[in-house]
Amino acid sequence: DTEVTQTPKHLVMGMTNKKSLKCEQHMGHRAMYWYKQKAKKPPELMFVYSYEKLSINESVPSRFSPECPNSSLLNLHLHALQPEDSALYLCASKGNSEPGANVLTFGAGSRLTVL
Amino acid sequence: GQNIDQPTEMTATEGAIVQINCTYQTSGFNGLFWYQQHAGEAPTFLSYNVLDGLEEKGRFSSFLSRSKGYSYLLLKELQMKDSASYLCAVRDRNDYKLSFGAGTTVTVRA
Repeated sequence: DTEVTQTPKHLVMGMTNKKSLKCEQHMGHRAMYWYKQKAKKPPELMFVYSYEKLSINESVPSRFSPECPNSSLLNLHLHALQPEDSALYLCASKGNSEPGANVLTFGAGSRLTVL
Repeated sequence: GQNIDQPTEMTATEGAIVQINCTYQTSGFNGLFWYQQHAGEAPTFLSYNVLDGLEEKGRFSSFLSRSKGYSYLLLKELQMKDSASYLCAVRDRNDYKLSFGAGTTVTVRA
């Protein structure tokens, strides 16, 4: 299995809702990432987990809450979002050893619309 | 932090060659990556350079000059399916942090 799987593919939520995005990989990668991408813009790093510990938080608002229950799973909990949070949310994982140690493998993304 | 610049758009004809330039200014450098992204899809890895020189992979080649803070991606024998956004990304001293340029949209015309 060489894939990163993200669910759901599409999510529409209101500003008062609580929802979660899920990401799963079975490549044994120990680093997992959340990126946010707006239309025609580059992916922006949000969070990095390394060995199930949060290692990077790019000053993301607390309405986004990441969770890494185990080495294969990464969640992004969403609460009280704003319409400007509408974007494609990409999950990625990074290999542990050569030759894949340098490469991020991305999932297909979850397209979020906040009404 | 990172400052990564690449052209916004390029257009080329099927069968031709296109070169996408990327310049970067970083507080630390630990590798440069090129990713391809079709509209609405995830980025997919194309190439990686950490030492100066040219890396060739089939129709795609990537070059790096660390002293100049410069890289290019060369796409040869262009095909219609190569129409996509090409993202230059730089990894800094923190091994886990990868920052992306704004991307170059390449349109291949028949």
